[in-house]
Amino acid sequence: DAGVIQSPRHEVTEMGQEVTLRCKPISGHNSLFWYRQTMMRGLELLIYFNNNVPIDDSGMPEDRFSAKMPNASFSTLKIQPSEPRDSAVYFCASSLLGGGPYNEQFFGPGTRLTVL
Amino acid sequence: DQQVKQNSPSLSVQEGRISILNCDYTNSMFDYFLWYKKYPAEGPTFLISISSIKDKNEDGRFTVFLNKSAKHLSLHIVPSQPGDSAVYFCAASGLSGNTPLVFGKGTRLSVIA
Repeated sequence: DAGVIQSPRHEVTEMGQEVTLRCKPISGHNSLFWYRQTMMRGLELLIYFNNNVPIDDSGMPEDRFSAKMPNASFSTLKIQPSEPRDSAVYFCASSLLGGGPYNEQFFGPGTRLTVL
Repeated sequence: DQQVKQNSPSLSVQEGRISILNCDYTNSMFDYFLWYKKYPAEGPTFLISISSIKDKNEDGRFTVFLNKSAKHLSLHIVPSQPGDSAVYFCAASGLSGNTPLVFGKGTRLSVIA
């Protein structure tokens, strides 16, 4: 199994530009999560989907952030316009809803975003 | 308001000794607790978990202890090895499969040879 795939691995952009992060979950998984990791706040949940439907987006910091999951094998997280304070590592994770007692999530390698 | 707290941002331990990483939580509705391990430039990977009906779960060198009354859990690694050097995240979850994980900020463990 290829695991959770994220692209790009690194993104450097200028303030005001649109940024799109991509995620392919593990085949067969039906829950997908977007997290942001910073030194100050650790791992924060931004939004999660069950069966391609957004369930909770209360962690999305501002309207500049949006996420979509058009099908079971693809999700995007978009920031428009980007700001320097958005610089962080963004992780995508997937899990099998109801697949076991421990709700284990499998993480991708992350996208390191730098906004200049 | 942090529901899962890891109050030690870092910990250094000598190789062969015991590493103890601590985690506190505030939400009494949490039923499952997990530890994730993260190496640089990689995503977190699942390490070990425990259900609230247990007070101990062991897997090789790794043992997680849960004290529900104190809302506290700890991860013991013994003996510690240099390859254990990583950031360890404590996470908690409510109903199985129905709620997302809530993570602590992580503790960076350095095992010194």
